[in-house]
Amino acid sequence: AQRVTQPEKLLSVFKGAPVELKCNYSYSGSPELFWYVQYSRQRLQLLLRHISRESIKGFTADLNKGETSFHLKKPFAQEEDSAMYYCALSGTSGSRLTFGEGTQLTVNP
Amino acid sequence: GAVVSQHPSWVICKSGTSVKIECRSLDFQATTMFWYRQFPKQSLMLMATSNEGSKATYEQGVEKDKFLINHASLTLSTLTVTSAHPEDSSFYICSARDRHRFSRAEYFGPGTRLTVT
Repeated sequence: AQRVTQPEKLLSVFKGAPVELKCNYSYSGSPELFWYVQYSRQRLQLLLRHISRESIKGFTADLNKGETSFHLKKPFAQEEDSAMYYCALSGTSGSRLTFGEGTQLTVNP
Repeated sequence: GAVVSQHPSWVICKSGTSVKIECRSLDFQATTMFWYRQFPKQSLMLMATSNEGSKATYEQGVEKDKFLINHASLTLSTLTVTSAHPEDSSFYICSARDRHRFSRAEYFGPGTRLTVT
């Protein structure tokens, strides 16, 4: 079975502070990991995928297979980063995404 | 790229009637689409996986006769809520997977707000 855990439902930081949203997963094979973001009243958007090893809007995430983690990081948070963030996992080809419960990030001025 | 649309964006219907929601991939082809429900301040709950040209696969506890899914082409999947009841009121979201991309990422529609009176 595959599972995604986001231990923090709420996370609040000040503008300019570093932010880390935690994600741990359980899956016995080779997963593909994603971060999705949902801004207020907007659709869910793909933010990052681990296979791309990219930085989007200043966010990065590294897959740590030893710790089964895929934490999302940004060195300097901005107010516009305030949103709901979901970590998701896909197992074998064609299988559905498994989502974590989400972390609501609030960046205070 | 990878844009998914849904229609309608919101709908109000009377109890006992049926409602059809369309999900379209606008700039890519999708052999697989997914239908979710999202409750306020909660994560997405997968209802079913829609496969082009074949029957949908429903998650446990989802009534296939109530939530009819048709994936007739590589760019269109429809969800029909039959004999709707107030408890079916929810936010329905579809997603689609690009058949030509290596990644298993899903691209999401904006959602449809269904209110059953």
